[in-house]
Amino acid sequence: TQLLEQSPQFLSIQEGENLTVYCNSSSVFSSLQWYRQEPGEGPVLLVTVVTGGEVKKLKRLTFQFGDARKDSSLHITAAQTGDTGLYLCAGADLTSYGKLTFGQGTILTVHP
Amino acid sequence: GAGVSQSPSNKVTEKGKDVELRCDPISGHTALYWYRQSLGQGLEFLIYFQGNSAPDKSGLPSDRFSAERTGGSVSTLTIQRTQQEDSAVYLCASSFSLDPAVYNYGYTFGSGTRLTVV
Repeated sequence: TQLLEQSPQFLSIQEGENLTVYCNSSSVFSSLQWYRQEPGEGPVLLVTVVTGGEVKKLKRLTFQFGDARKDSSLHITAAQTGDTGLYLCAGADLTSYGKLTFGQGTILTVHP
Repeated sequence: GAGVSQSPSNKVTEKGKDVELRCDPISGHTALYWYRQSLGQGLEFLIYFQGNSAPDKSGLPSDRFSAERTGGSVSTLTIQRTQQEDSAVYLCASSFSLDPAVYNYGYTFGSGTRLTVV
């Protein structure tokens, strides 16, 4: 069974601060996705990383996939109150692409 | 529609009753997935369908759970003889491809069906 450990579970910061969320596993994934979810809604895809060592930037968000494709990080620069939400990482199984393994999620609260 | 549509949005049922949850994927998406999200838990894979291939049912927690996809479009998840531990948000997602990395589109999720078994 593949597991993705996501940390921290909770993050409470002030607007303007930087933060990093981590996703770690002992398993190799074919790709890794990051989602953001708001209450009462389904997760919304932020990015997919595929290649080991890959770095993708989405405005103030920077995503990195580990060289061995076992871990990933999400870094947010100068957080805004609109960044508040549940962030989820999800790894795609090597042999069964349709099966995603999700981390437990990080609840981010950005205070004005 | 433009997004993945799920119905009902909320369902309260008595223990032991059967329930059906419906998912309308985005038109043209060949892959359809069901996940379950419990409070304090992450998303748990249940089943996925890809085109005419046999579905991957490896995530279904018991034989009380079943799903079908008719005409390569709409899917129904059925839970028979519901138990209190079945209470969760059931999420459906669809994508162009089984492997989102190929087209880099990822999955589009619906808003879910919140199931409460009393």
